[in-house]
Amino acid sequence: DVQLTQSPSSLSASVGDRVTITCQASQDITLFLNWYQQKPGRAPNLLIFDASDLETGVPSRFSGSGSGTEFSLTISALQPEDFATYYCQQYDHVPYTFGQGTKLEIK
Amino acid sequence: EVQLVESGGTLVEPGGSLRLSCAASGFSFSSYAMNWIRQAPGKGLEWVSSITNSGGSIHYTDSVKGRFTISRDNSKNRVYLQMNSLRAEDTAVYYCVKDPGVSSGKNGVFDYWGQGTLVIVSS
Repeated sequence: DVQLTQSPSSLSASVGDRVTITCQASQDITLFLNWYQQKPGRAPNLLIFDASDLETGVPSRFSGSGSGTEFSLTISALQPEDFATYYCQQYDHVPYTFGQGTKLEIK
Repeated sequence: EVQLVESGGTLVEPGGSLRLSCAASGFSFSSYAMNWIRQAPGKGLEWVSSITNSGGSIHYTDSVKGRFTISRDNSKNRVYLQMNSLRAEDTAVYYCVKDPGVSSGKNGVFDYWGQGTLVIVSS
């Protein structure tokens, strides 16, 4: 199975900050990497697919980059509604796997 | 508007069975692969199973193989998860999730999620 390791596991930041979350895959997954946001008590929401494509309706302050085994999600200027848990997920190989999550908290 | 509504979650004893159902609306159900993804309390996300639009290709995570069965009825716009020989570690919120079918042709992107149904396996 493809293992995904996110860094950091938790992060404290302030409104307006630029933050980056990384996701490392245990093997080459080319561009088959997605990012999701999950708020407490809610289902996850797709943000980025194919490593860098912004899902329709997602604010442009979210961006994704990377390929192969190293990926990142960047939020250019944090808004209050961005404080949530973020997950990366690969779909190059079955079973589809998720990273362990990064909890983004208000400083 | 795409809607996915799960039902069937409840408290069940270890070794018991349960059938989850997901009612889909707002899109051409028979055109898209569907998935079940679960989340144990306070934990991360785990993909459980997928089924292609026609039902011709099905996959499971190893921990549920031989115990869970995914199926769909395109005439009723429903996808199901039959869960047998349930274990405590199956306790989770189970989400019904749609796959958009991206240009690469691969499945495994999850664009719409239901609200989830809670399965608790305990004596």
